[in-house]
Amino acid sequence: GQNIDQPTEMTATEGAIVQINCTYQTSGFNGLFWYQQHAGEAPTFLSYNVLDGLEEKGRFSSFLSRSKGYSYLLLKELQMKDSASYLCAVENSNYQLIWGAGTKLIIKP
Amino acid sequence: GAVVSQHPSRVICKSGTSVKIECRSLDFQATTMFWYRQFPKQSLMLMATSNEGSKATYEQGVEKDKFLINHASLTLSTLTVTSAHPEDSSFYICSARGHRDYEQYFGPGTRLTVT
Repeated sequence: GQNIDQPTEMTATEGAIVQINCTYQTSGFNGLFWYQQHAGEAPTFLSYNVLDGLEEKGRFSSFLSRSKGYSYLLLKELQMKDSASYLCAVENSNYQLIWGAGTKLIIKP
Repeated sequence: GAVVSQHPSRVICKSGTSVKIECRSLDFQATTMFWYRQFPKQSLMLMATSNEGSKATYEQGVEKDKFLINHASLTLSTLTVTSAHPEDSSFYICSARGHRDYEQYFGPGTRLTVT
């Protein structure tokens, strides 16, 4: 079967750094996505990794290791508005996105 | 660029009626559109994938006769929930992808409440 695993919930402090991990097992791999979703809203795109390594985009970075089936999303200088669910998704060889259940990130002042 | 709209944003209907939700790519041609359903506090669940001009591919467990999908043009896909029941109440989200895009662009979602 295909599955994406990520922690259900994480808590961090404003101004700190948090790393959200994602492990995956899918039928083929065409890329890994991270999305942010605020309650009651559609997901918004954060990052895309297809090659191993770190992709940095402002306060957010995403890392991929295809051999380990592993990715993480790193959020720096946390702000209260970063409180949201973070969804990891992998595109398989059929060009379908397989979604993780999402990690609810709670930011405390 | 890459804007996807959905209409309506909210709809309340009575049990047994049908509801149509439109998904439009406003500034690009969407060769593939995806329909998702999301229940409260749960992740997105892919319902079906549709390519322009061909029949939609439904995920296991999704009734194709209940959730009718039409992708008639490169900018429009519709999802019709037929004979809606209260358990169909959910957040329905579409996404679209262009021919050379790796990213799926999401619509804002439609909140369906069946009374």
